[in-house]
Amino acid sequence: AQTVTQSQPEMSVQEAETVTLSCTYDTSENNYYLFWYKQPPSRQMILVIRQEAYKQQNATENRFSVNFQKAAKSFSLKISDSQLGDTAMYFCAFRSPYNQGGKLIFGQGTELSVKP
Amino acid sequence: KAGVTQTPRYLIKTRGQQVTLSCSPISGHRSVSWYQQTPGQGLQFLFEYFSETQRNKGNFPGRFSGRQFSNSRSEMNVSTLELGDSALYLCASSLEGAEQYFGPGTRLTVT
Repeated sequence: AQTVTQSQPEMSVQEAETVTLSCTYDTSENNYYLFWYKQPPSRQMILVIRQEAYKQQNATENRFSVNFQKAAKSFSLKISDSQLGDTAMYFCAFRSPYNQGGKLIFGQGTELSVKP
Repeated sequence: KAGVTQTPRYLIKTRGQQVTLSCSPISGHRSVSWYQQTPGQGLQFLFEYFSETQRNKGNFPGRFSGRQFSNSRSEMNVSTLELGDSALYLCASSLEGAEQYFGPGTRLTVT
């Protein structure tokens, strides 16, 4: 069974600085999808970034980028120029395209605080 | 396009009662998934519906059920509520093979 692990329950960063959130996963499949979701205090889950395992190039979305290391089964999220609005719980998620439908497997989450 | 909507947003029920939650997906999305979020267990997959058929089911008791209508709107039902069912219930919709977009959730409190 696939698992997703986020080893940092809480992190903090100063405004305008860079922070990296860690995520590791376990799967025997070769093709899959990885996601980072953000859940601010409003509880609305927001998609931050997506990575397909078959793509070697790391995904980027404005200030958000990932470091995808397939062999190491690692998928970290880097937030550059952190802003107060980035304060939220961040979840790493895995999805298999094989016989799993839309099932997302989530990590435990990392609570990020951006301090002024 | 309008996002995923969930109703009601908040609900208070008594043990033993049943409850029905509703989810309207983004227009054109045929897949709807449901998740339960609690402080202790985190985010757990309940089930997914695609074209009115349950395609996948998580490890929850039979008290949890769902259905999807021809317009892709989905409902989930929990019967014989227990205190442990208190949670945020999230619904997500997606196009086939794509990322999921979440609704604002329904906060269920069981007393």
